[in-house]
Amino acid sequence: AAGVIQSPRHLIKEKRETATLKCYPIPRHDTVYWYQQGPGQDPQFLISFYEKMQSDKGSIPDRFSAQQFSDYHSELNMSSLELGDSALYFCASSLGGGLGETQYFGPGTRLLVL
Amino acid sequence: AQSVTQLGSHVSVSEGALVLLRCNYSSSVPPYLFWYVQYPNQGLQLLLKYTSAATLVKGINGFEAEFKKSETSFHLTKPSAHMSDAAEYFCAVSRYTGTASKLTFGTGTRLQVTL
Repeated sequence: AAGVIQSPRHLIKEKRETATLKCYPIPRHDTVYWYQQGPGQDPQFLISFYEKMQSDKGSIPDRFSAQQFSDYHSELNMSSLELGDSALYFCASSLGGGLGETQYFGPGTRLLVL
Repeated sequence: AQSVTQLGSHVSVSEGALVLLRCNYSSSVPPYLFWYVQYPNQGLQLLLKYTSAATLVKGINGFEAEFKKSETSFHLTKPSAHMSDAAEYFCAVSRYTGTASKLTFGTGTRLQVTL
C-alpha cells in the first residue's frame, strides 16, 4: 500500500539559510500534519491542513510557514534557520481531520543546521 | 487538556519474556489513544488504536493494549519479546480542536531485548 512520502530524507543547511520540506500524503487523504522531533524528544505538533486550509496550529515558529496545494501535497518552509531547528520533521496524513482519525506517518526528513 | 504519561523511559526484557510498556492518560472526555513504534532512523508506525469499540485492542506484530478507565491506563503488552521488537514506543492521545485532530505524544519508552 502507498505510504506518506517525504522529501528530501536528509538535509544539511547553514545557519540563516532557508529550507523547504515536502510531503506527499497517502492517495485520497485530504489532511496533512507536520510534527517536529528533536533529538531524544517526542514528536511535537506544528501545523495541520484540511482540504488545503490550515486547520490547526501548534508550536510552530513564525520563521516557518506551510501550505497544502491543490494536489494535497504540503510544503513546510523554514527560513532564518537556527541550530535549534536541527530535528526530524515528520509529515502525517489522514482521511479527514475529525475526532480520532488515524494519522499515518512518513519516514521523516532529518534536518541538520550547521 | 488531554495528555499521556509513559512510565519508564527504558525497558529491558529478555527474548521470549513478556513485554509491558506503561501509558496513563488524562482526559475529561473519552479519549482516542494510539501506540506508535519508531525503529532506529525510521518514521512512526501505527501499532494499534483505541476507539472505545472494545477495551482490548489487538495490533500488529503480536502487540495488544487494554483500555482501563478505572486506572486511566492503556498499557501495551506482548506475550513473548523478539529481538526485532527493539525500538522506541510512543503512546499518544488524539485531541480534537473543533477543526482538526492532533496527536499529543508521551515521552517514549525505549525497549531493549536481550538474548
